[in-house]
Amino acid sequence: GEDVEQSLFLSVREGDSSVINCTYTDSSSTYLYWYKQEPGAGLQLLTYIFSNMDMKQDQRLTVLLNKKDKHLSLRIADTQTGDSAIYFCAGADPGFQKLVFGTGTRLLVSP
Amino acid sequence: SAVISQKPSRDICQRGTSLTIQCQVDSQVTMMFWYRQQPGQSLTLIATANQGSEATYESGFVIDKFPISRPNLTFSTLTVSNMSPEDSSIYLCSVDSRDGTGNTIYFGEGSWLTVV
Repeated sequence: GEDVEQSLFLSVREGDSSVINCTYTDSSSTYLYWYKQEPGAGLQLLTYIFSNMDMKQDQRLTVLLNKKDKHLSLRIADTQTGDSAIYFCAGADPGFQKLVFGTGTRLLVSP
Repeated sequence: SAVISQKPSRDICQRGTSLTIQCQVDSQVTMMFWYRQQPGQSLTLIATANQGSEATYESGFVIDKFPISRPNLTFSTLTVSNMSPEDSSIYLCSVDSRDGTGNTIYFGEGSWLTVV
């Protein structure tokens, strides 16, 4: 089955860019997702990328997908304190949309 | 996008009791999913619920412990039966919303259960 790994913690200063990395094992994942979880809240869908794409940009968010290395990254430009949260990457099982989640990366943005 | 409402949002439950969590979606969806997030952990899929058929459970989860109903295309329930402190988790409902731009999977705000 799919295995998804993330670094556990990232600390940046406000205004810097943040890059959160994710590696996965199952190359058949059709979609790869990024979710944000703030304290005491559910999961907010940030963005997703289809497996035949290399890059997707959505305002301050840029997703890069390297299928050869099975590596996914989320770049947040001009990081703000409100971006402090846990970020999960997840791969979708083809056809069934079951998600396998990474371990989550806790992003801390300091003023 | 899909708007998902879960009830209850939080509850404190006594050991040995059962609690039913409701999930309501503002549009018709084919597939609904129930996930569990244990404290400080990532999310794990419990089961997939399709309308008109029995739920499909993932390894490690059984129907007797987590019975699921899916009476129509906008609603599902998950029951956590005979609860123990190990069941203290966030339980999240999720839907697959095919909106023309791709498959987007949305989550509710979660139901935060503490078993004492």
